[in-house]
Amino acid sequence: AQSVAQPEDQVNVAEGNPLTVKCTYSVSGNPYLFWYVQYPNRGLQFLLKYITGDNLVKGSYGFEAEFNKSQTSFHLKKPSALVSDSALYFCAVSAGSARQLTFGSGTQLTVLP
Amino acid sequence: DSGVTQTPKHLITATGQRVTLRCSPRSGDLSVYWYQQSLDQGLQFLIQYYNGEERAKGNILERFSAQQFPDLHSELNLSSLELGDSALYFCASSVSLTRGDRTDTQYFGPGTRLTVL
Repeated sequence: AQSVAQPEDQVNVAEGNPLTVKCTYSVSGNPYLFWYVQYPNRGLQFLLKYITGDNLVKGSYGFEAEFNKSQTSFHLKKPSALVSDSALYFCAVSAGSARQLTFGSGTQLTVLP
Repeated sequence: DSGVTQTPKHLITATGQRVTLRCSPRSGDLSVYWYQQSLDQGLQFLIQYYNGEERAKGNILERFSAQQFPDLHSELNLSSLELGDSALYFCASSVSLTRGDRTDTQYFGPGTRLTVL
């Protein structure tokens, strides 16, 4: 069975500082990894995905994520955080014969002005 | 705006009742997925349809059922509702050219918030 862990429920960062939201995964077979963001009372918005190839994936709104196979991690990063980045972030994996996404528990990111 | 629409936005009902949630996928998308988001269970996959056929099942209760119609819109039916069914229900769609490709990006609708009193 596939699983995703987001070890931090809450991440606080000052505006302008770099941010990292952590994600580790467990799958059998090749992992296909996704990051989504959820703003209050809104649906999930797709940020980026890793399928194959370059371990550094660039996505929407200046976000990027680094795939590390040896550490089974897929951390989300942004060089300079904005207050408007404050939201709930979800890491997800799609692997094996399943087409559905298995989500982590989410990390609440707060960017402080 | 993802292009996925869901109605209604909010639904308040009583225990024991039955409700229907509706989803229209993005134009051209063949797969529809239903997810439930609750505080205690997080985001959980319920069921997937591809071009009118059930493709995969997750943690969906027997009291819940879904279908996808020829125009590709989908409905999720929840019956004999219990307090614990209160949650945000999301629909997502993906293009799925090959009966559901797990590398496809799923685009989510805004959700239907169900409150069971």
